[in-house]
Amino acid sequence: EAGVAQSPRYKIIEKRQSVAFWCNPISGHATLYWYQQILGQGPKLLIQFQNNGVVDDSQLPKDRFSAERLKGVDSTLKIQPAKLEDSAVYLCASSQLAGGPFEQFFGPGTRLTVL
Amino acid sequence: GQQVMQIPQYQHVQEGEDFTTYCNSSTTLSNIQWYKQRPGGHPVFLIQLVKSGEVKKQKRLTFQFGEAKKNSSLHITATQTTDVGTYFCAGQGSGGGADGLTFGKGTHLIIQP
Repeated sequence: EAGVAQSPRYKIIEKRQSVAFWCNPISGHATLYWYQQILGQGPKLLIQFQNNGVVDDSQLPKDRFSAERLKGVDSTLKIQPAKLEDSAVYLCASSQLAGGPFEQFFGPGTRLTVL
Repeated sequence: GQQVMQIPQYQHVQEGEDFTTYCNSSTTLSNIQWYKQRPGGHPVFLIQLVKSGEVKKQKRLTFQFGEAKKNSSLHITATQTTDVGTYFCAGQGSGGGADGLTFGKGTHLIIQP
């Protein structure tokens, strides 16, 4: 079974630039999550989708972050414009249809460095 | 909002010693999950506890969920070098599957041979 795919794995940008991350969840998983993990801390949930609908985006800084999952499969997370404090690993995870609880399967993450 | 506290932040042990990490939530949880993250890796699911007072074992690992469903612990017996990593607890609120996970800051386990 293929795991959660993410790209790119690494990205270096300057502050005020834009960046986008891509995630393809495990086939058949309806729920998709984006997390931000700052060095030395636990993952922080940014947004949760069920199919192509947003379930929770209460911690997403909506003035600069946006995410979509148009066809209910893969997803993109965008930051525009980036700030220094956005330097972190951005993790995508997926799980089976909600109604669980179900374990979450994480992708390898995208390490973002903002200079 | 919901907060999940985890202690200790770091734990150094000699190989063969036991290790315990503790997790406390500010609110009652519907379930708690534990994940392990190796250095440079991503979190990997270990286990999920749902019932009040539940205890589960996986070989040398013992997981407990408190009676009030607000605290949990992970105990590793006779640590091995392969146990190195950061252990996170992650709590899910009373909304169950509709609520995202709130992760603790993790306990970094360092093992000295």
